[in-house]
Amino acid sequence: ETGVTQTPRHLVMGMTNKKSLKCEQHLGHNAMYWYKQSAKKPLELMFVYNFKEQTENNSVPSRFSPECPNSSHLFLHLHTLQPEDSALYLCASSQSGTGGYYGYTFGSGTRLTVV
Amino acid sequence: GQQLNQSPQSMFIQEGEDVSMNCTSSSIFNTWLWYKQDPGEGPVLLIALYKAGELTSNGRLTAQFGITRKDSFLNISASIPSDVGIYFCAGQLDDKIIFGKGTRLHILP
Repeated sequence: ETGVTQTPRHLVMGMTNKKSLKCEQHLGHNAMYWYKQSAKKPLELMFVYNFKEQTENNSVPSRFSPECPNSSHLFLHLHTLQPEDSALYLCASSQSGTGGYYGYTFGSGTRLTVV
Repeated sequence: GQQLNQSPQSMFIQEGEDVSMNCTSSSIFNTWLWYKQDPGEGPVLLIALYKAGELTSNGRLTAQFGITRKDSFLNISASIPSDVGIYFCAGQLDDKIIFGKGTRLHILP
């Protein structure tokens, strides 16, 4: 597989559930990102990882917990979410050290619905 | 903080028409990027611009990096149904990419 792959594509979860989103990239990039995209809102940067180290957390609630075990994989662990957390969650990657100079490569996203 | 003002927010056009959208900022950027997001998918990079004044084409798409480095435009010529989607501009500076709010393009049959 090539590019950035996100699973699952769709997820429906209750407010008391625990679930995880997975992102995998095969581009040899070392920087990975989680974005939230809500209806009629701009892309919101949530977390940034460079070489497996978290370098940015944009005041994201603790019910979202990222994990980056290696430069190719990124997870977003979810627990006790709220209905307003329903959104499209996008993973992206870039070559670390370039600061996104060549742009980010995005996955297709996970459409999350919290009921 | 840094912000990008992208306009228009949405457009309704007839198939075959040309489209123009733009982004402006009070900040200077090193790189301007244009992405397209199809329904249910992630954004895909269309054009990257690296030099002030640069004009770059990708098929029916043409984009320019403004001379002041604070703005960019994207033109689409002779629109077709598959051009439907959300177009995002993005500026890169200081190890960050800032995204505009997007222009939603609708094409009437």
